[in-house]
Amino acid sequence: GENVEQHPSTLSVQEGDSAVIKCTYSDSASNYFPWYKQELGKRPQLIIDIRSNVGEKKDQRIAVTLNKTAKHFSLHITETQPEDSAVYFCAASITGNQFYFGTGTSLTVIP
Amino acid sequence: DGGITQSPKYLFRKEGQNVTLSCEQNLNHDAMYWYRQDPGQGLRLIYYSQIVNDFQKGDIAEGYSVSREKKESFPLTVTSAQKNPTAFYLCASSIQLTGFEQYFGPGTRLTVT
Repeated sequence: GENVEQHPSTLSVQEGDSAVIKCTYSDSASNYFPWYKQELGKRPQLIIDIRSNVGEKKDQRIAVTLNKTAKHFSLHITETQPEDSAVYFCAASITGNQFYFGTGTSLTVIP
Repeated sequence: DGGITQSPKYLFRKEGQNVTLSCEQNLNHDAMYWYRQDPGQGLRLIYYSQIVNDFQKGDIAEGYSVSREKKESFPLTVTSAQKNPTAFYLCASSIQLTGFEQYFGPGTRLTVT
């Protein structure tokens, strides 16, 4: 089956700096790559996603890039704010049938 | 946060007892999923269902059972055969046909002693 690896496991940045989280996947058939934000004790919330026919997608301060050849995708958060502090999960899926998640990155934004 | 509800929020059971976790959605989503989340780990798929009366095992289905008798409901039973049932359980749904976006319920924290 699919194997998704996520790095780093923890990340601390100063407020206003950028944060980058990277994921790799193993199954070249995966074609949908969502990113979730999970605050302590709460449900994961979809923050951005990308499909395999697109190389980059942006939504305000958040962007995701996908390199199909290398089988990796990354989450970029610019101008970080304290409310960005949370655990972020990447995932890979083949047409939404099964989702395989990374192990998460705990992001701390230091005011 | 969408129309996915899970109940109860906290559940305590004695070892050896079966327990059923509820998941209901009013989003008219086709697919529903159950995940288990342990501290410091990602989400691991237990079962998923794409249509009523049909479901498939995920990576960690042993000790769990599900049913999908209605489109809106996908209950998960944690049986006594599950060796380490204490965890945070998340239900999710997605529309599938027109998009793959997956939306999560608030979760049930199960503690078995």
